[in-house]
Formats: sequence, C-alpha cells, structure tokens
Amino acid sequence: QVQLQESGPGLVKPSETLSLTCTVSGQSISNNYWSWIRQPPGKGLEWVAYTSAGGSINYNPALRSRVTISVDTSKNQVSLRVDSVTAADTAVYYCARRDNIMTPFDSWGQGTLVTVSS
Amino acid sequence: DIVMTQSPDSLAVSLGERATINCKSSQTILYSSSNKNYLGWYQQKPGQPPKLLISWASARESGVPDRFSGSGSGTDFTLTISSLQAEDVAVYYCQQYYNAPLTFGGGTKVEIK
Repeated sequence: QVQLQESGPGLVKPSETLSLTCTVSGQSISNNYWSWIRQPPGKGLEWVAYTSAGGSINYNPALRSRVTISVDTSKNQVSLRVDSVTAADTAVYYCARRDNIMTPFDSWGQGTLVTVSS
Repeated sequence: DIVMTQSPDSLAVSLGERATINCKSSQTILYSSSNKNYLGWYQQKPGQPPKLLISWASARESGVPDRFSGSGSGTDFTLTISSLQAEDVAVYYCQQYYNAPLTFGGGTKVEIK
C-alpha cells in the first residue's frame, strides 16, 4: 500500500522560498501522477501542481509564476518550491497521488503545515 | 477554469436521517467519448487529509459504506448519505478532474442535529 509523507520547514519568512518534499513508499513514483494540494487554515482545498516521472507537468495558473514541482526518481520523492511567499501561502500542504492524468486523488499524505511569518 | 459550486455550506441532520449535498460545475464534466463524469467526492475529518469516497460521480471506492452514494451527470451532482452515522461528521468536497486546473468545491460541513 502506497504511503506519502510530506516534510518541510514549518515556518518561512515573507519573501523567502518555501521548499517541501513528499517521500513515497510502497511503490515507485515512476508510475502515476503526483500532485501538491494546499489548504489554508479553516478553508477549502486548492490544487497547486502535478507532475509525473515521465515529465508531464501542470501548474495552477494562479500560482504558476511562483511554483516549481519536480521529481527525483532515485529518492522516490516529489518536491515543491514556492518563491516569494506571503501570509496567503500559509496552509497545510498535501501530497497526493492519481492513477493517471484523468483520475481523482486516491491516496494522500497526512499534510504538513507551513506558516509564513516574520 | 471549471468552477465547482457546492450547496449548502453546512447542514445538520439527525442520526439515521438522510443528508444530501449538491455540487454544480460551471461546464460539463461528462467526457463524451468515455461517457464518464470526471467528478470525485471526498470526506475530510478534522485533522485528517481528505479521503476519496466516490469517483466517476457514482462509483464507491473499496471499503466505503454503501450508505454513501453519488449521482448526477453533466453539470449537476449529488452526494447522499442515506442514514447518517456519528462517524460521518466531516466536511465533504466535490472535485472535477476533467481538465486542469483541477478544482474543488468549497466544501459542505455535515453535523449532527
């Protein structure tokens, strides 16, 4: 059974870069599609980006200019970078799997809370 | 972008009674070549990640109790909990995976009356 575990800094200062890692166990990330989804405290879900090991990448247009998603198959990890963060980027960030490019999110990590504050 | 609109924002239902959540997409999410609706329903309990309950608008995931059912097609969808149990208290989200950007409804909070 696949398991996803997010890790990150917890606290980031405004204007700095947020870097998160999702470590996948139980299967190879060479299969499937991998997404980052975020949820501000007390609010709804916002899809951020997806990628596949085959090189398919797509970003939420609202975040495209500040976000980079990548895959490291040697480590079985998916990473997310968000540049020039503000308080609006404060959220729980989830890593999630899709079987293919047109299926729902069938497995999720527990999420990691990132707070943007000086 | 496809906008997903859920209603109501919250509802309180007595134990054993029916709960109905609606979800409307701003354009069709029925893919004609496959005749499938690209719509999923998720349940999120406090402090937990969302859990996929239903895919393709009406297909229950393995292990999901049969009191949960999904219906609808095109732009209008419904999630029904036929007999609300205490463990069903959660926020429910619909999500379209027809095209990017992938979008979610705003969520419906279900509580016990």
